[in-house]
Amino acid sequence: DAGVTQSPTHLIKTRGQHVTLRCSPISGHKSVSWYQQVLGQGPQFIFQYYEKEERGRGNFPDRFSARQFPNYSSELNVNALLLGDSALYLCASSPVGGYTEAFFGQGTRLTVV
Amino acid sequence: RKEVEQDPGPFNVPEGATVAFNCTYSNSASQSFFWYRQDCRKEPKLLMSVYSSGNEDGRFTAQLNRASQYISLLIRDSKLSDSATYLCVVNNPSGTYKYIFGTGTRLKVLA
Repeated sequence: DAGVTQSPTHLIKTRGQHVTLRCSPISGHKSVSWYQQVLGQGPQFIFQYYEKEERGRGNFPDRFSARQFPNYSSELNVNALLLGDSALYLCASSPVGGYTEAFFGQGTRLTVV
Repeated sequence: RKEVEQDPGPFNVPEGATVAFNCTYSNSASQSFFWYRQDCRKEPKLLMSVYSSGNEDGRFTAQLNRASQYISLLIRDSKLSDSATYLCVVNNPSGTYKYIFGTGTRLKVLA
């Protein structure tokens, strides 16, 4: 069975550019959450989507946006990249929204130079 | 005060040892608790959910103390393959469906 898949796995961008990260949840899962993890810290919540609607948003600037598609896959967009956006971006898949167990993809490692 | 606090370690233990990790959380209204394991430069993997009555999965035992807002993970008969960072996770009950991760506790099991 396919787990959570994220693409790309690694990415290097220049300050000021825009980036789009993609996530496909586990088959049958309807909820996707996005997290940012910087070195030495635990993941920080960015967004949760369930049935194509935003259900939760963390303390991130408006440069961060996301959406969920009818097939439950999701995109995370970050505009006007800053050096501080360099991190591992993790997508988590859950069967339903709310506080259920979440399963993570391998992440996208973004480096902003 | 951090919302979820863990001792960062590292905990260096010999194979076969028993080791315990603790985690405290600040919001008494939190309802969902988990332990995740994260290997270096990999994604977090769900180790176990934590239930009020405590629960066990093989060599791993998780306990929840709501009165003290404290979660623990006990690993018995440590294996070299248990070496990883263990993340304590608590839900934020504010309606944002947000999980709050601790910074993790590093475990190194030595041969």
